[in-house]
Order: sequence, then structure tokens, then C-alpha cells
Amino acid sequence: KQEVTQIPAALSVPEGENLVLNCSFTDSAIYNLQWFRQDPGKGLTSLLLIQSSQREQTSGRLNASLDKSSGRSTLYIAASQPGDSATYLCAGANSKLTFGKGITLSVRP
Amino acid sequence: DGGITQSPKYLFRKEGQNVTLSCEQNLNHDAMYWYRQDPGQGLRLIYYSQIVNDFQKGDIAEGYSVSREKKESFPLTVTSAQKNPTAFYLCASSHTGDYGYTFGSGTRLTVV
Repeated sequence: KQEVTQIPAALSVPEGENLVLNCSFTDSAIYNLQWFRQDPGKGLTSLLLIQSSQREQTSGRLNASLDKSSGRSTLYIAASQPGDSATYLCAGANSKLTFGKGITLSVRP
Repeated sequence: DGGITQSPKYLFRKEGQNVTLSCEQNLNHDAMYWYRQDPGQGLRLIYYSQIVNDFQKGDIAEGYSVSREKKESFPLTVTSAQKNPTAFYLCASSHTGDYGYTFGSGTRLTVV
């Protein structure tokens, strides 16, 4: 059974800092790994999708990497802004999508 | 624009009532999913469907029912058998295979 872990559960950083959010998974036979953003009371917005054959994807200030052999993915956020404050969830896809519990990020002005 | 529409945004249920949450997509996705989100527990899969007129139980299907009569629609019924239905419900869809998921904006269900 796939298990996805995100540690820490919460993170607070000053504006402008570069930061890394970590995600680990137990079953390396994933089809892809997806990072989502969730604002309070809202649905999930897809940020980046990394296929199993890829090692990383980039979108603007975001870069996500995937290392299937070690069961790890990271989401790198460059030059963080207060608008980046949200909960970030990673999810690994096997026969279904399994989510981590998320990291709640607060970027202080 | 293509997307997933969930309605209503807020729903209140009395004890013993069944309620139905709507999920419609115009992305031409084959697969649709229902997740439940509780504080501190993450998202848990309730039901999923990969093709019209077929669906499978997820991890927490007890007390829920679904139908998939049209490709675009995947309604979820929360029955009176679900003893703790207060939660945030999210619908998602994807192409079958190695593709990402798209989520709706969610329905918050509260028992009163």
C-alpha cells in the first residue's frame, strides 16, 4: 500500500527566502507524482506533474524533482512571496492517487 | 474554459437524511473520483470510476453511493449510514493512464 509523507506539517519563512518542500513515498512504482496547492476552504490547484520517466519539471518560480529510486520528491520555491502562503500537497499515482497530509506554508512579509 | 464544477458549495444535512453532491466535468476525461478531506487526515478516496456505468470502491466507501450514467457526471450520495459525514468533499477527473488529476472547488457538508 502506497504511503506518502510530508514533513514538516507547517513551515514559516520570511519573504524572499528560497525554500524546499519534501515529499517521500513508499512504492516507487508510481506512474507520476503531482504537486498541488490548496488555499483555505478551496479546492486543489495543480502546480506541477512529473511523469515517472522524468526527473524534474519547472513552472515559473517552482521546480519539482522526482527520484523514484529513493522514493523522494521535492518542490523548490524561489524567492518566496506572501501570496505563496497555502497548503502544498504531493500525491503519487499508482492505480490510484495517494496524498500526503500537506505542508502549510506561511510567508511573512 | 474546461473544468470541474461541484455544487453546492455548502450543504447542510439533518440526521437521517440522504444528500447528493454534484460533480460535472467538461474536460472529456474518462476517469472521475471522489475524495473526502478532514483536518489533519489528508485526502481519502471514497469512490472512483474509469468508464461510464462502472465504478469501484475506494478506501472509505461505507455510507456513500455513486452513479456514472454519463461521462460528464459523477454524483455522490451521502447516505444516513454515514455516521460522520461532516467534511470537505472534492471531486476530481483525469484521462485514464499516466496523466494528472484536475480537481473541483469542493463541497463543504455539515450535519446539523
